[in-house]
Amino acid sequence: DAGVIQSPRHEVTEMGQEVTLRCKPISGHNSLFWYRQTMMRGLELLIYFNNNVPIDDSGMPEDRFSAKMPNASFSTLKIQPSEPRDSAVYFCASSNTNYGYTFGSGTRLTVV
Amino acid sequence: KNEVEQSPQNLTAQEGEFITINCSYSVGISALHWLQQHPGGGIVSLFMLSSGKKKHGRLIATINIQEKHSSLHITASHPRDSAVYICAVKSGGGADGLTFGKGTHLIIQP
Repeated sequence: DAGVIQSPRHEVTEMGQEVTLRCKPISGHNSLFWYRQTMMRGLELLIYFNNNVPIDDSGMPEDRFSAKMPNASFSTLKIQPSEPRDSAVYFCASSNTNYGYTFGSGTRLTVV
Repeated sequence: KNEVEQSPQNLTAQEGEFITINCSYSVGISALHWLQQHPGGGIVSLFMLSSGKKKHGRLIATINIQEKHSSLHITASHPRDSAVYICAVKSGGGADGLTFGKGTHLIIQP
Protein backbone atom coordinates (compact mmCIF):
# COMPACT_ATOMS: atom_id res chain seq x y z
CA ASP A 1 0.00 0.00 0.00
CA ALA A 2 1.27 3.50 -0.82
CA GLY A 3 0.16 4.84 2.54
CA VAL A 4 -1.99 7.90 3.08
CA ILE A 5 -1.65 10.18 0.08
CA GLN A 6 -2.12 13.91 0.37
CA SER A 7 -2.08 16.54 -2.32
CA PRO A 8 -0.77 19.04 -2.96
CA ARG A 9 2.46 18.87 -0.91
CA HIS A 10 2.78 22.64 -0.96
CA GLU A 11 0.23 25.33 -1.66
CA VAL A 12 0.77 29.06 -1.79
CA THR A 13 -2.30 31.16 -2.30
CA GLU A 14 -3.48 34.70 -1.88
CA MET A 15 -5.76 35.75 0.91
CA GLY A 16 -9.39 35.36 -0.06
CA GLN A 17 -8.83 32.47 -2.44
CA GLU A 18 -10.40 29.06 -2.02
CA VAL A 19 -8.05 26.25 -1.06
CA THR A 20 -8.82 22.54 -1.38
CA LEU A 21 -6.65 19.89 0.25
CA ARG A 22 -7.04 16.26 -0.74
CA CYS A 23 -6.48 12.97 1.01
CA LYS A 24 -6.60 9.32 -0.01
CA PRO A 25 -6.61 7.05 3.05
CA ILE A 26 -5.25 3.55 3.26
CA SER A 27 -7.61 1.04 1.75
CA GLY A 28 -9.58 -0.74 4.45
CA HIS A 29 -9.09 1.92 7.10
CA ASN A 30 -12.48 3.02 8.35
CA SER A 31 -11.48 6.26 10.07
CA LEU A 32 -10.01 9.41 8.57
CA PHE A 33 -8.70 12.42 10.43
CA TRP A 34 -7.68 15.93 9.45
CA TYR A 35 -5.09 17.59 11.69
CA ARG A 36 -3.43 20.99 11.57
CA GLN A 37 0.06 21.76 12.85
CA THR A 38 1.35 25.23 13.70
CA MET A 39 4.32 26.43 15.67
CA MET A 40 2.11 28.09 18.24
CA ARG A 41 -0.49 25.39 18.83
CA GLY A 42 1.21 22.18 17.75
CA LEU A 43 -1.00 19.44 16.31
CA GLU A 44 -4.75 19.84 16.58
CA LEU A 45 -7.61 17.67 15.43
CA LEU A 46 -9.90 19.48 13.01
CA ILE A 47 -12.41 16.79 12.09
CA TYR A 48 -12.70 13.05 11.80
CA PHE A 49 -14.84 10.64 9.83
CA ASN A 50 -15.84 7.11 10.65
CA ASN A 51 -17.12 5.03 7.74
CA ASN A 52 -17.32 8.24 5.66
CA VAL A 53 -19.57 9.96 8.20
CA PRO A 54 -18.32 13.08 10.02
CA ILE A 55 -18.27 12.26 13.73
CA ASP A 56 -16.67 15.26 15.38
CA ASP A 57 -16.01 18.60 13.70
CA SER A 58 -15.62 20.62 16.88
CA GLY A 59 -12.01 21.34 16.00
CA MET A 60 -12.88 23.11 12.78
CA PRO A 61 -11.91 26.69 13.59
CA GLU A 62 -14.52 28.58 11.59
CA ASP A 63 -17.27 28.24 9.05
CA ARG A 64 -14.66 29.00 6.42
CA PHE A 65 -13.46 25.43 6.90
CA SER A 66 -15.39 22.48 5.54
CA ALA A 67 -14.56 18.82 4.98
CA LYS A 68 -16.18 16.07 3.00
CA MET A 69 -15.68 12.36 2.51
CA PRO A 70 -17.82 11.32 -0.45
CA ASN A 71 -16.48 7.76 -0.41
CA ALA A 72 -14.10 5.51 1.49
CA SER A 73 -11.10 6.43 -0.65
CA PHE A 74 -11.23 10.21 -0.78
CA SER A 75 -11.62 13.23 1.46
CA THR A 76 -11.24 16.97 1.00
CA LEU A 77 -10.64 19.85 3.36
CA LYS A 78 -11.69 23.19 1.94
CA ILE A 79 -10.95 26.69 3.19
CA GLN A 80 -13.01 29.49 1.65
CA PRO A 81 -12.01 32.27 1.88
CA SER A 82 -8.46 31.65 3.05
CA GLU A 83 -6.67 33.97 5.46
CA PRO A 84 -2.97 34.33 6.38
CA ARG A 85 -3.62 32.79 9.82
CA ASP A 86 -4.65 29.58 8.09
CA SER A 87 -1.03 29.05 7.11
CA ALA A 88 0.02 25.72 8.61
CA VAL A 89 0.80 22.13 7.75
CA TYR A 90 -2.34 20.08 7.32
CA PHE A 91 -2.07 16.36 7.92
CA CYS A 92 -4.50 13.65 6.99
CA ALA A 93 -4.37 10.32 8.84
CA SER A 94 -6.31 7.10 8.64
CA SER A 95 -6.70 4.14 10.97
CA ASN A 96 -8.57 1.02 11.82
CA THR A 97 -10.21 1.12 15.22
CA ASN A 98 -7.65 -1.05 16.97
CA TYR A 99 -4.53 -0.14 15.06
CA GLY A 100 -2.18 2.76 15.01
CA TYR A 101 -2.53 5.76 12.84
CA THR A 102 -0.88 6.28 9.49
CA PHE A 103 -0.22 9.88 8.60
CA GLY A 104 0.12 11.42 5.19
CA SER A 105 3.11 13.58 4.33
CA GLY A 106 1.12 16.74 4.93
CA THR A 107 0.23 19.80 2.89
CA ARG A 108 2.16 22.95 3.72
CA LEU A 109 -0.24 25.83 3.15
CA THR A 110 0.95 29.41 2.93
CA VAL A 111 -1.63 32.16 2.56
CA VAL A 112 -0.13 35.52 1.64
CA LYS B 1 -10.57 17.36 27.35
CA ASN B 2 -7.37 15.50 28.01
CA GLU B 3 -4.28 17.54 28.79
CA VAL B 4 -1.04 15.99 27.58
CA GLU B 5 2.25 17.20 29.00
CA GLN B 6 5.65 16.20 27.73
CA SER B 7 9.06 16.71 29.22
CA PRO B 8 11.60 17.85 28.45
CA GLN B 9 10.63 20.25 25.68
CA ASN B 10 14.17 20.22 24.33
CA LEU B 11 16.93 17.69 24.83
CA THR B 12 20.47 17.68 23.47
CA ALA B 13 22.64 14.62 24.13
CA GLN B 14 25.77 12.96 22.87
CA GLU B 15 25.74 9.97 20.59
CA GLY B 16 25.44 6.75 22.56
CA GLU B 17 23.57 8.21 25.50
CA PHE B 18 20.39 6.67 26.90
CA ILE B 19 17.44 8.98 26.25
CA THR B 20 14.18 9.24 28.17
CA ILE B 21 11.19 11.34 27.16
CA ASN B 22 8.20 11.56 29.47
CA CYS B 23 4.50 12.05 28.88
CA SER B 24 1.68 12.53 31.36
CA TYR B 25 -2.02 12.95 30.73
CA SER B 26 -4.94 14.06 32.83
CA VAL B 27 -7.84 11.78 31.92
CA GLY B 28 -8.12 8.03 31.42
CA ILE B 29 -7.32 6.86 27.92
CA SER B 30 -7.88 3.91 25.65
CA ALA B 31 -4.48 4.18 23.93
CA LEU B 32 -1.31 6.24 23.87
CA HIS B 33 0.80 6.86 20.80
CA TRP B 34 4.40 7.88 20.36
CA LEU B 35 5.07 9.66 17.09
CA GLN B 36 8.26 10.83 15.43
CA GLN B 37 8.61 13.84 13.17
CA HIS B 38 11.83 14.79 11.39
CA PRO B 39 12.38 18.46 10.47
CA GLY B 40 10.19 19.36 7.52
CA GLY B 41 8.99 15.81 7.40
CA GLY B 42 5.95 13.72 7.91
CA ILE B 43 4.77 12.01 11.05
CA VAL B 44 5.60 8.39 11.72
CA SER B 45 3.83 6.30 14.32
CA LEU B 46 6.38 4.56 16.53
CA PHE B 47 4.19 2.84 19.11
CA MET B 48 0.60 2.45 20.15
CA LEU B 49 0.16 1.05 23.63
CA SER B 50 -2.54 0.71 26.24
CA SER B 51 -0.60 -1.17 28.91
CA GLY B 52 2.84 -2.47 29.77
CA LYS B 53 5.81 -2.09 27.49
CA LYS B 54 6.71 -2.35 23.82
CA LYS B 55 10.13 -2.56 22.17
CA HIS B 56 11.19 -1.97 18.60
CA GLY B 57 14.90 -1.98 17.89
CA ARG B 58 16.53 0.62 20.11
CA LEU B 59 13.20 2.17 21.09
CA ILE B 60 11.24 1.16 24.17
CA ALA B 61 7.88 2.58 25.25
CA THR B 62 6.27 2.02 28.62
CA ILE B 63 2.98 3.10 30.11
CA ASN B 64 1.62 3.16 33.66
CA ILE B 65 -2.15 3.49 33.44
CA GLN B 66 -2.63 4.09 37.15
CA GLU B 67 -0.15 6.96 37.18
CA LYS B 68 -1.28 8.27 33.76
CA HIS B 69 2.30 8.34 32.59
CA SER B 70 4.33 7.01 29.68
CA SER B 71 8.00 7.08 28.78
CA LEU B 72 9.85 6.66 25.52
CA HIS B 73 13.41 5.43 25.80
CA ILE B 74 16.12 5.37 23.16
CA THR B 75 19.16 3.18 23.81
CA ALA B 76 22.53 3.83 22.17
CA SER B 77 21.25 7.07 20.65
CA HIS B 78 22.45 8.10 17.20
CA PRO B 79 22.37 11.41 15.31
CA ARG B 80 19.68 9.99 13.03
CA ASP B 81 17.41 9.80 16.09
CA SER B 82 17.32 13.61 16.07
CA ALA B 83 13.68 14.53 15.60
CA VAL B 84 10.61 15.77 17.43
CA TYR B 85 8.92 13.06 19.48
CA ILE B 86 5.23 13.57 20.13
CA CYS B 87 3.04 11.85 22.66
CA ALA B 88 -0.64 11.58 21.75
CA VAL B 89 -3.60 10.03 23.54
CA LYS B 90 -6.89 8.59 22.44
CA SER B 91 -9.42 9.20 25.13
CA GLY B 92 -12.35 7.03 24.18
CA GLY B 93 -13.11 3.80 22.47
CA GLY B 94 -14.05 3.75 18.84
CA ALA B 95 -12.49 6.21 16.47
CA ASP B 96 -11.86 9.33 18.55
CA GLY B 97 -9.15 11.61 17.32
CA LEU B 98 -5.86 12.11 19.13
CA THR B 99 -4.90 14.81 21.61
CA PHE B 100 -1.25 15.74 21.27
CA GLY B 101 1.53 16.90 23.53
CA LYS B 102 3.68 19.79 22.36
CA GLY B 103 6.53 17.46 21.47
CA THR B 104 10.12 16.97 22.60
CA HIS B 105 12.80 18.30 20.27
CA LEU B 106 15.71 15.85 20.49
CA ILE B 107 19.17 16.54 19.09
CA ILE B 108 21.84 13.86 19.22
CA GLN B 109 25.30 15.23 18.63
CA PRO B 110 28.02 13.01 17.14
